[in-house]
Amino acid sequence: GESVGLHLPTLSVQEGDNSIINCAYSNSASDYFIWYKQESGKGPQFIIDIRSNMDKRQGQRVTVLLNKTVKHLSLQIAATQPGDSAVYFCAETFGSSNTGKLIFGQGTTLQVKP
Amino acid sequence: GAGVSQSPRYKVAKRGQDVALRCDPISGHVSLFWYQQALGQGPEFLTYFQNEAQLDKSGLPSDRFFAERPEGSVSTLKIQRTQQEDSAVYLCASSSDRGGREQYFGPGTRLTVT
Repeated sequence: GESVGLHLPTLSVQEGDNSIINCAYSNSASDYFIWYKQESGKGPQFIIDIRSNMDKRQGQRVTVLLNKTVKHLSLQIAATQPGDSAVYFCAETFGSSNTGKLIFGQGTTLQVKP
Repeated sequence: GAGVSQSPRYKVAKRGQDVALRCDPISGHVSLFWYQQALGQGPEFLTYFQNEAQLDKSGLPSDRFFAERPEGSVSTLKIQRTQQEDSAVYLCASSSDRGGREQYFGPGTRLTVT
């Protein structure tokens, strides 16, 4: 399953399928990007990050892709599990004197069907 | 190891009351952030501390909002004369990096102003 566009609020996938969550970021000067997972009633949980000098980074079952040309970020989750159900946010930081404040996107709700 | 903790988890205040929200960051983390998250939205930056110094408070919505971190560890976000529009989840995050990379979030305090 794949989310498209800036604001597809919900992505529904079958357990075991791969998921792709997309995000368009706003500032070409952004130099650091992060994906967070947020479950109901909890704070955002760090998943994976990527710096602007990279275009791909892999973690455990997750891969982040960065396309600076079109200012696009994606999170790929392999073999999606019911425990992956949550809201996923991309976030960016920018500026040579940045204090690390994160600018969050709107979020995509991932629903995993058993 | 303990993560970021926040208290109280839930706070109901009558309009016009003052509230104080506490954040205990991960031990040794120099960077501390406060974010505000409205229902169904991504977190929005409020303010940033590096140790005890408040280096960025550009996100505080009004002068009714005040934050402090006097000893470079625990932080308190205070809201004076609360208004209904202050109702939100207030999230605290900490990082070992002075630039705020890899921020770890607490569970948040849900503030409801009636």
